[in-house]
Amino acid sequence: GDSVTQMEGPVTLSEEAFLTINCTYTATGYPSLFWYVQYPGEGLQLLLKATKADDKGSNKGFEATYRKETTSFHLEKGSVQVSDSAVYFCALMEYGNKLVFGAGTILRVKS
Amino acid sequence: DVKVTQSSRYLVKRTGEKVFLECVQDMDHENMFWYRQDPGLGLRLIYFSYDVKMKEKGDIPEGYSVSREKKERFSLILESASTNQTSMYLCASSFGQGHGYTFGSGTRLTVV
Repeated sequence: GDSVTQMEGPVTLSEEAFLTINCTYTATGYPSLFWYVQYPGEGLQLLLKATKADDKGSNKGFEATYRKETTSFHLEKGSVQVSDSAVYFCALMEYGNKLVFGAGTILRVKS
Repeated sequence: DVKVTQSSRYLVKRTGEKVFLECVQDMDHENMFWYRQDPGLGLRLIYFSYDVKMKEKGDIPEGYSVSREKKERFSLILESASTNQTSMYLCASSFGQGHGYTFGSGTRLTVV
């Protein structure tokens, strides 16, 4: 079945550092891909998405490109802030409007 | 601002109790979902619904049931709570295929 694999955390960075969180997926067809963010004590919020190969999703300085050849959707940000500290989830949607999530990656940004 | 509202942020229940978790959305979404979130396991789908009175099992439905009598409300029921159901429960709704979900803030349930 469909699955999503994320890099294990926690990832600890200093403020203004470059961020990459790796995400790869397994699917039979051509899924839509998503990144969600969960701040402490809150539910998940949609961060960005891409619906077809080579699409780039972007929001709040975060970017991810849908790479069909490597089945990847890595999340990047050029300069992280303390306020970016959260849990980040990669997810795919293939059939039936059901999201399949990765295990999540904790990001900690130090000032 | 569109919302998914879960009735309780924290709940403590005893083993064997029947537990109701309520979720209401104000976006007129057709699709609603219940997930549980556990450290290291991410989010796992318990049940979902594409329409009123319709329900489908997700990946881990054992020990749970759901009710959707009205479009805006989707309830998760633990028939007889057990300690292994201690978890964070997240409700979500969606407009349809290809659209992202809107999540509630979650209910942290502890079964003692």
